[in-house]
Amino acid sequence: QVQLQESGPGLVKSSQTLSLTCIVSGASISSGTYYWSWIRQHPGKGLEWIGYSYYSGSAYYNPSLKSRVTISVDTSKNQFSLKLSSVTAADTAVYYCARGVYGDYVFDSWGQGTLVTVSS
Amino acid sequence: SYELTQPPSVSVSPGQTASITCSGDKLGDKYASWYQQKPGQSPVLVIYDDTKRPSGIPERFSGSNSGNTATLTISGTQAMDEADYYCQAWDSITAYVFGTGTKVTVL
Repeated sequence: QVQLQESGPGLVKSSQTLSLTCIVSGASISSGTYYWSWIRQHPGKGLEWIGYSYYSGSAYYNPSLKSRVTISVDTSKNQFSLKLSSVTAADTAVYYCARGVYGDYVFDSWGQGTLVTVSS
Repeated sequence: SYELTQPPSVSVSPGQTASITCSGDKLGDKYASWYQQKPGQSPVLVIYDDTKRPSGIPERFSGSNSGNTATLTISGTQAMDEADYYCQAWDSITAYVFGTGTKVTVL
């Protein structure tokens, strides 16, 4: 059974870069069947898709965040990462990593989520 | 950008049927999925490809999608079904889009 676990700083200063890593266990990140995604949820609000990366490194981002987001995959460590630059208080949210199913366009497995707070 | 709209809340009595709608332009031409999220937990996929249930999801969860509206139906609602529910679809420009979310209360 696949498990995803986010890790990274819970506090980031405004204007800096938010960096998170998702460690995948129980499945190979090199499988061509899945996309590896980041999704966030502002406190008390709904879900917002940030972007995904395929195992090959090809990535696709939410147009509203595209200029600030980089998602990369490390197949040797079976993990993938998120970098969000120039953060503001509006980027304070719970960040989830998730596995997207190729062809079905759904997320079948999620990490537990990690709260990232942007401070001034 | 593509948008999906849900009612903020739905109330249902135990044992009754709860219906949650999700509206979007020509949503019936896309595949709709649904996620359940309980307080402090990660979302869980309960319906995908409009009508399919992942392994382990009870049969009381069902879905439909036609025209501009997708619907998640919970038959014989139980107290454990009290949660937030989000629809989701894939759009060729915006990619993954989530609905605004519906809080289901079992009274």
